[in-house]
Amino acid sequence: AQKITQTQPGMFVQEKEAVTLDCTYDTSDPSYGLFWYKQPSSGEMIFLIYQGSYDQQNATEGRYSLNFQKARKSANLVISASQLGDSAMYFCAMREKPSGFGNEKLTFGTGTRLTIIP
Amino acid sequence: GAGVSQSPSNKVTEKGKDVELRCDPISGHTALYWYRQSLGQGLEFLIYFQGNSAPDKSGLPSDRFSAERTGGSVSTLTIQRTQQEDSAVYLCASSPTGTAYEQYFGPGTRLTVT
Repeated sequence: AQKITQTQPGMFVQEKEAVTLDCTYDTSDPSYGLFWYKQPSSGEMIFLIYQGSYDQQNATEGRYSLNFQKARKSANLVISASQLGDSAMYFCAMREKPSGFGNEKLTFGTGTRLTIIP
Repeated sequence: GAGVSQSPSNKVTEKGKDVELRCDPISGHTALYWYRQSLGQGLEFLIYFQGNSAPDKSGLPSDRFSAERTGGSVSTLTIQRTQQEDSAVYLCASSPTGTAYEQYFGPGTRLTVT
């Protein structure tokens, strides 16, 4: 079963408008973390924002904020005042901590391609 | 300081040949991760190293895939007898502590199997 679901394969948004990228997740672990990464055409994964399952407030980082609705298991990324440089693939990911290991690996969604229109 | 580097940036190989992909993590980072990104897909976890040991190999898709890390630094991902379905971008990430929050990704190696 999909653990991270991103239902929007592509989005077109006018420059300077706000955009919301959807992400829903599935886990039975009470302790988890949710990430958003940006992947421009260069291919590098750029960390944007993180939300822990026990965090009381929604995470914010500059123009990025995470609309975390725990009961709905959603962690949507909101980009305010979009810019041309925001055009990229955006991936939602979840941190899991398999029992017996000290590591934490990320499970990624299939991504949303965001295109900002001038 | 220098980020995670990977080489080669692009690799084209014939079906059945072996390939080696290299990852140089950020100096001092103890944890190293390999991921695979197939066309139009998200990242798929392959393997994780803490130091030179690999406590989690659960993501390796077949016994044709192997990886090693020496000196707690450079890692090599080896794919034997490559198949066309191995074509993907292989991304490496490193972390100072093994905490997913702090994973820093390299630019990836694009592998094409013809």
